Amino acid sequence: GEDVEQSLFLSVREGDSSVINCTYTDSSSTYLYWYKQEPGAGLQLLTYIFSNMDMKQDQRLTVLLNKKDKHLSLRIADTQTGDSAIYFCAESMGANNLFFGTGTRLTVIP
Amino acid sequence: EAGVTQFPSHSVIEKGQTVTLRCDPISGHDNLYWYRRVMGKEIKFLLHFVKESKQDESGMPNNRFLAERTGGTYSTLKVQPAELEDSGVYFCASSQDETGDITDTQYFGPGTRLTVL
Repeated sequence: GEDVEQSLFLSVREGDSSVINCTYTDSSSTYLYWYKQEPGAGLQLLTYIFSNMDMKQDQRLTVLLNKKDKHLSLRIADTQTGDSAIYFCAESMGANNLFFGTGTRLTVIP
Repeated sequence: EAGVTQFPSHSVIEKGQTVTLRCDPISGHDNLYWYRRVMGKEIKFLLHFVKESKQDESGMPNNRFLAERTGGTYSTLKVQPAELEDSGVYFCASSQDETGDITDTQYFGPGTRLTVL
């Protein structure tokens, strides 16, 4: 079955870059996603990447995909206190179901 | 435009009781999903409705869980009788697409935190 793993916690100083990592086991994954959950709110889709891409950049966000190692990362440049949240990696194989990781709690220190 | 809403936001019940969670998807969205996050673990898929029909219920843990979506609008998820291991956050999501575009964004609600004592 699908297995998506993330480290549970990450702390960075305001203005530094954050890198959140994710590994997955299913090589047939077609789409990989990053969701953000702020306190008391639902999951917000930040970005997604097709499995045939290596990189996707969107303003302060950079997604890197190493399909050989089944490794996905999310880099947030110039991290701000408003970026403090839980970040979930998720993957799908073309069906509608999303398979999520445990989430990484990012704490930004002023 | 209103987002996905869920009610209640929190529920505390005793083992053996019944709880019903409600999800109102974004108006016009045919696809509705239920997910669950048990404390500290990953978010897991429970089931998927397309309109009023269950498209995939492979993630439902057991027959104590019953999901309905009468009329293809809001959905309820009933747990009867609740057990301690049912505690967690239950998320609902909806998406619009009817054509099967697999990149169709799922919009999530804030979740219902269920605590079973």
